[in-house]
Amino acid sequence: AQSVAQPEDQVNVAEGNPLTVKCTYSVSGNPYLFWYVQYPNRGLQFLLKYITGDNLVKGSYGFEAEFNKSQTSFHLKKPSALVSDSALYFCAVRDLLSGNTPLVFGKGTRLSVIA
Amino acid sequence: ETGVTQTPRHLVMGMTNKKSLKCEQHLGHNAMYWYKQSAKKPLELMFVYNFKEQTENNSVPSRFSPECPNSSHLFLHLHTLQPEDSALYLCASSQDLATSSGANVLTFGAGSRLTVL
Repeated sequence: AQSVAQPEDQVNVAEGNPLTVKCTYSVSGNPYLFWYVQYPNRGLQFLLKYITGDNLVKGSYGFEAEFNKSQTSFHLKKPSALVSDSALYFCAVRDLLSGNTPLVFGKGTRLSVIA
Repeated sequence: ETGVTQTPRHLVMGMTNKKSLKCEQHLGHNAMYWYKQSAKKPLELMFVYNFKEQTENNSVPSRFSPECPNSSHLFLHLHTLQPEDSALYLCASSQDLATSSGANVLTFGAGSRLTVL
């Protein structure tokens, strides 16, 4: 079985400061990992994914995420937060051994960037 | 817009009504999905269609009935819903259900906000 946990319901950060949104996962095999963002009154938008290779993945809008196999984590990061980054962020995982099983999403973390 | 269009954006219905949600994608994708989004809960996968065939029904009550007449259109028919069914219903599509890499990216619509009175 595959699962993903986002331990924080809410993250607050001042504009210009670095931000981190946490995600941990559980899979039987090797994971595919994704981050999606949801702005108000919009659907989810793809940010970045980890498949294989370099553990540091760069995505849209200056976001990046680091795959850490020993800690089973895939935290989302950005060096300098913008007010426009305020949104709901979802981590998702898929197990390579899961056949056709679709993605499993976390419950989301609301990021508020304060000017 | 993202290429996945959902209508209506907002729907209020009584428990005895029958209504439908519609999803249309212009991306040439072969797989389509219905998700339920409730506050502070993980996205719940409801149904999956691949090449118009239903491949997954995630223990969804029969008061939700999906229909996929072709690869571009997906409906969710609603009948005798309960207040706890109030949520944002998201449609998504992807190129394929699973490829050799399994790394399909989902494209989501903006959602249909459903309120059941």
